[in-house]
Amino acid sequence: QSVLTQPPSVSGAPGQRVTISCTGSSSNIGAGYDVHWYQQLPGTAPKVLIYGNINRPSGVPDRFSGSKSGTSASLAITGLQAEDEADYYCQSYDSSLSGYVFGTGTKVTVL
Amino acid sequence: EVQLVESGGGLVQPGGSLRVSCVVSGFRFSNYWMSWVRQAPGKGLEWVANIKQDGSEQYYVDSVKGRFIISRDNAENSLYLQMNSLRAEDTAMYFCARDRAWEYYVDYWGQGTLVTVSS
Repeated sequence: QSVLTQPPSVSGAPGQRVTISCTGSSSNIGAGYDVHWYQQLPGTAPKVLIYGNINRPSGVPDRFSGSKSGTSASLAITGLQAEDEADYYCQSYDSSLSGYVFGTGTKVTVL
Repeated sequence: EVQLVESGGGLVQPGGSLRVSCVVSGFRFSNYWMSWVRQAPGKGLEWVANIKQDGSEQYYVDSVKGRFIISRDNAENSLYLQMNSLRAEDTAMYFCARDRAWEYYVDYWGQGTLVTVSS
């Protein structure tokens, strides 16, 4: 059972901007733990998209950006491209569970 | 280049045991925590367990505590997950991942090994 809540799906036309929310609680995001985002293309392993709330690993386009406020975080994709069709997961640490927690996952569809 | 290669998955009966392995290369294995993350078919990601650099600390998700054991062999650059008393709900792809525990996330993932628990 996921502790972090995401919308099941979001969609947009090529070139548009979409955002994915990630809602947690006072024992994870609200406790100050960072939020990280992963992209999982069909049939592949996840890869880190954003770490430490706002940071992009080398090679990740600056079309992807992250933010965090209170008990929530968001991932924004600007200039949506066909290759962005994937599942996206947020992740943080939960102090009451003493472990990592993932979001429920969001499927991004490019119309 | 960082590489993580899992092996050992397969079909096992409920109540049975299985050990999955992960061999890593491209980084100093003994310097990093390591994690296992699983994904049931068509479902989301679930962190399973992680282990400290020297193996002295391990943490588990509640659903596997007392049944799964994470271990490592730094001389062999290998990570293991011993799974006992397996249940149908343990059916999943099991990913090995390099763990940046001081920043609370995993940064490199293997391609996974599939464990199916069924009679």
